[in-house]
Amino acid sequence: GAGVSQTPSNKVTEKGKYVELRCDPISGHTALYWYRQSLGQGPEFLIYFQGTGAADDSGLPNDRFFAVRPEGSVSTLKIQRTERGDSAVYLCASSFEAVVGYTFGSGTRLTVV
Amino acid sequence: GQSLEQPSEVTAVEGAIVQINCTYQTSGFYGLSWYQQHDGGAPTFLSYNALDGLEETGRFSSFLSRSDSYGYLLLQELQMKDSASYFCAVSSGGYQKVTFGTGTKLQVIP
Repeated sequence: GAGVSQTPSNKVTEKGKYVELRCDPISGHTALYWYRQSLGQGPEFLIYFQGTGAADDSGLPNDRFFAVRPEGSVSTLKIQRTERGDSAVYLCASSFEAVVGYTFGSGTRLTVV
Repeated sequence: GQSLEQPSEVTAVEGAIVQINCTYQTSGFYGLSWYQQHDGGAPTFLSYNALDGLEETGRFSSFLSRSDSYGYLLLQELQMKDSASYFCAVSSGGYQKVTFGTGTKLQVIP
């Protein structure tokens, strides 16, 4: 597509529930990144995919967070047993190979109540 | 790990020039990027410096000094639409992992 698409744009969920956030990168971009941004802060790195594999998942806060990219295109970030502290905007970005100059999606605003 | 410091807020007058500074500490440094983010919007890539010196892109310029671990973003002929948050970000490590600073909120006033 023309840009990075993230769905849903907003998600409200109850504490303890499971959520999935979807990212559809720019066609042909092999590198995909997930970041999390809290209010007034910069994006915080979560995970990086090169193709289908997670090349760096060092930013995932704990084992409740998991991400997949099974066909090297669309990626899903999965959060189990959500907590109120998980509330943030989850940003996805893609780039061709691992060059600088990411293109970000508009994000999914997750609110855990 | 990486750390970046930039001012939290800057106010400047429409038509003026403003400089947003960034200092960083990191290992395996490759380069310094700048991103713009309007409220509620996605971060948008502005510039990247891998070598010392000034890079100019229209009204925006970015500078890097690797020896001082310092860079800045210079915005000229400020417009109201430039009101946004600006993030410096370092690329480091094997695949040039990008780590963002906490951002500088720029307010342009008439």
